[in-house]
Amino acid sequence: AQKITQTQPGMFVQEKEAVTLDCTYDTSDQSYGLFWYKQPSSGEMIFLIYQGSYDEQNATEGRYSLNFQKARKSANLVISASQLGDSAMYFCAMRTPGNQFYFGTGTSLTVIP
Amino acid sequence: NAGVTQTPKFQVLKTGQSMTLQCAQDMNHEYMSWYRQDPGMGLRLIHYSVGAGITDQGEVPNGYNVSRSTTEDFPLRLLSAAPSQTSVYFCASSLKWRFTDTQYFGPGTRLTVL
Repeated sequence: AQKITQTQPGMFVQEKEAVTLDCTYDTSDQSYGLFWYKQPSSGEMIFLIYQGSYDEQNATEGRYSLNFQKARKSANLVISASQLGDSAMYFCAMRTPGNQFYFGTGTSLTVIP
Repeated sequence: NAGVTQTPKFQVLKTGQSMTLQCAQDMNHEYMSWYRQDPGMGLRLIHYSVGAGITDQGEVPNGYNVSRSTTEDFPLRLLSAAPSQTSVYFCASSLKWRFTDTQYFGPGTRLTVL
């Protein structure tokens, strides 16, 4: 069964605007970690932000924040004040205690000048 | 720290050839893993290791072998390459295998099997 769902294959945002990338997950574990990675056209995978299942506060890292809604099993990435360099693929991922790390299919974000 | 390094960056093989993709990390991470990335499918786990001498299968292990003789190195072997193994391969590592541990990725190897 699919563990991570990213329903937006492609998104566009105007420079300096905020954008939300959606991610829902499916697990029966009580303990899990949620991660977002950025993959620019150069191909490397860059870690952006982490949210633990027991964390009560939403995670923030600079212009990135994670809107964590545990009951809805969603972990949306919010990028504020978009920059041209934010154009990339973005992957949501989940780590469970069973040594597995699941990735979604990604969202392609294009920032328009 | 160099982080996670992978060699080669690009490789072209003919069907039936064998090769080893190299992966090394200098962060003293216990957990290492291999993924393949295919268009439209995200990253899928091939094999992983929680320490030297310990390996296990992930979601798509068929056609691949791994070993972990040292903490630093985690090579991925293709015994008899097939066109279906054309993909981008990423190695990753994390301090341990707790659900709180972030994985850090190498730059990837783009493999084409003709």
